[in-house]
Amino acid sequence: KAGVTQTPRYLIKTRGQQVTLSCSPISGHRSVSWYQQTPGQGLQFLFEYFSETQRNKGNFPGRFSGRQFSNSRSEMNVSTLELGDSALYLCASSGGWTSGRQETQYFGPGTRLLVL
Amino acid sequence: AQKVTQAQTEISVVEKEDVTLDCVYETRDTTYYLFWYKQPPSGELVFLIRRNSFDEQNEISGRYSWNFQKSTSSFNFTITASQVVDSAVYFCAPHPGNQFYFGTGTSLTVIP
Repeated sequence: KAGVTQTPRYLIKTRGQQVTLSCSPISGHRSVSWYQQTPGQGLQFLFEYFSETQRNKGNFPGRFSGRQFSNSRSEMNVSTLELGDSALYLCASSGGWTSGRQETQYFGPGTRLLVL
Repeated sequence: AQKVTQAQTEISVVEKEDVTLDCVYETRDTTYYLFWYKQPPSGELVFLIRRNSFDEQNEISGRYSWNFQKSTSSFNFTITASQVVDSAVYFCAPHPGNQFYFGTGTSLTVIP
């Protein structure tokens, strides 16, 4: 089975621009979560989508948004980029909660975003 | 409120030594899952092991094992006979409800 894929792997943008990152989950997985990883703040949860609906959201400003398509692929958008948005953005997929059991999240390789 | 503590920032061991990574998860939740992930220099988080809070039986999976003590909220993860390829940052990640929390990570260096 193919793993979680993320595109692009590397991205350089300037302040004020917007960016869209893409994540394709493992086949059959309906839950996609996004995380931001920075040296200062560590790994922080952005949001989770399940069956095209945002189910959970972390403590990030409204500039960070996402969506999920009917094939479970997900995109994350950051508008009006700031220098502090430079980070590794990780996507994870899982089967969600099944039969009262939390399925394991599997992570993609991440997208490294540099904002200049 | 949830609090995940990985008190060890960096650990170095010599190859073939056993190493234990500590994680304390403070929560009022009585039911949750806890995962351990490894992040090598390439950046991708790799799933290692999982368990739930309502089963205190300790588990072993290959060279990985862990010791769960609910009374102290500690989930200690042990790598037996460490190898150079084990060098990475290790994260414990409790999962109550629908959200993952991650500790700050422990950087492990295995010296040949």
